[in-house]
Amino acid sequence: GAVVSQHPSRVICKSGTSVKIECRSLDFQATTMFWYRQFPKKSLMLMATSNEGSKATYEQGVEKDKFLINHASLTLSTLTVTSAHPEDSSFYICSARERTSPRGNEQFFGPGTRLTVL
Amino acid sequence: GENVEQHPSTLSVQEGDSAVIKCTYSDSASNYFPWYKQELGKGPQLIIDIRSNVGEKKDQRIAVTLNKTAKHFSLHITETQPEDSAVYFCAAGSSGSARQLTFGSGTQLTVLP
Repeated sequence: GAVVSQHPSRVICKSGTSVKIECRSLDFQATTMFWYRQFPKKSLMLMATSNEGSKATYEQGVEKDKFLINHASLTLSTLTVTSAHPEDSSFYICSARERTSPRGNEQFFGPGTRLTVL
Repeated sequence: GENVEQHPSTLSVQEGDSAVIKCTYSDSASNYFPWYKQELGKGPQLIIDIRSNVGEKKDQRIAVTLNKTAKHFSLHITETQPEDSAVYFCAAGSSGSARQLTFGSGTQLTVLP
């Protein structure tokens, strides 16, 4: 149980284009999903917290117009990198917290999406 | 906000030996401390966690200890195997509304055969 998928696993795009990354909880309902960014050999940096049916909460320094987050259902959140530039190249990881879990802090991570902007 | 420090950044051990990774946290409100294992090119996987109402938890070769007074917690891996080689992250979280996790900087563990 508690499986989180991400799609695509890898994406290469041209500078100026937009890229959408999907995060799905496959066997549970996720009240909250988190989006992280990870640079090579670095830790996970929280970008935003996404609650189903409401606007995402962005961390300081993260541009909400650049990184659009939609949490349309209890099993799906999307991150859209708009007008991507080479500096947006990174490993993007989502995690999900189970709605009904009595141990509410547990986060289950997706496999990540490697974005390369040429 | 919470600040989590993790040491060492790299750790090499011989197969069969034990490995210990230590973390400290700053926010006394934190009450949930998970450990994640991340293999190259993959997302983190939860390997063990501990809550502030216990001091130690064990799952086969993996154990975690927590000292709330000193605000530190440690991961212990015994009888290490080459497949234990990965990056390990500690994290701290609380029961606040956001229930976010703050991650340590990671430890690259290499188990030498």
